[in-house]
Amino acid sequence: AQSVTQLGSHVSVSEGALVLLRCNYSSSVPPYLFWYVQYPNQGLQLLLKYTTGATLVKGINGFEAEFKKSETSFHLTKPSAHMSDAAEYFCAVSDRGNQGGKLIFGQGTELSVKP
Amino acid sequence: EPEVTQTPSHQVTQMGQEVILRCVPISNHLYFYWYRQILGQKVEFLVSFYNNEISEKSEIFDDQFSVERPDGSNFTLKIRSTKLEDSAMYFCASTVRLSTDTQYFGPGTRLTVL
Repeated sequence: AQSVTQLGSHVSVSEGALVLLRCNYSSSVPPYLFWYVQYPNQGLQLLLKYTTGATLVKGINGFEAEFKKSETSFHLTKPSAHMSDAAEYFCAVSDRGNQGGKLIFGQGTELSVKP
Repeated sequence: EPEVTQTPSHQVTQMGQEVILRCVPISNHLYFYWYRQILGQKVEFLVSFYNNEISEKSEIFDDQFSVERPDGSNFTLKIRSTKLEDSAMYFCASTVRLSTDTQYFGPGTRLTVL
């Protein structure tokens, strides 16, 4: 069975500082990996995804993530945090062999950005 | 930009009552999903739907739950007899194709069962 673990339910950074949100996954087959962001009172919005090819994936709003198979990780980073980055971030995995296409989510990490 | 919409945004109901949560997926999408998020917990998959039938369902999706695409635009989740533990945020999502394609999520319906 697939699973996702996000280390740290709450991360706080200063504006301009590096953002690092950690995600580790468990999957018996090569996974598809996703990061979603949820702003207050809104739905989940895709930040970026890894399916095949280049392991460093760039997404919207300056975020990127690197798929590391040996570490079963897909950490999300952004070089310089902005106040508008404050939100909840969810890592998710999808079984590429799964005909239903369901997403398995991690617990989420709430990012706070201090001025 | 096309988006998934959900109604109502909030629903309060008494235990044992039936509720129907409504979603309008993006028009050219073929796969539809319901997820839920109990307060403070992770987002959980409930059911996927394609070609007018359920593709996959989770253990949560028991006989009290049903889904339907009654016309060409709406996708509904019905809970026949609500329980206290059904209180959660329910998200609808849709995608054009499977797996590699982005699932687009609606803003959610917050269901409160009293």
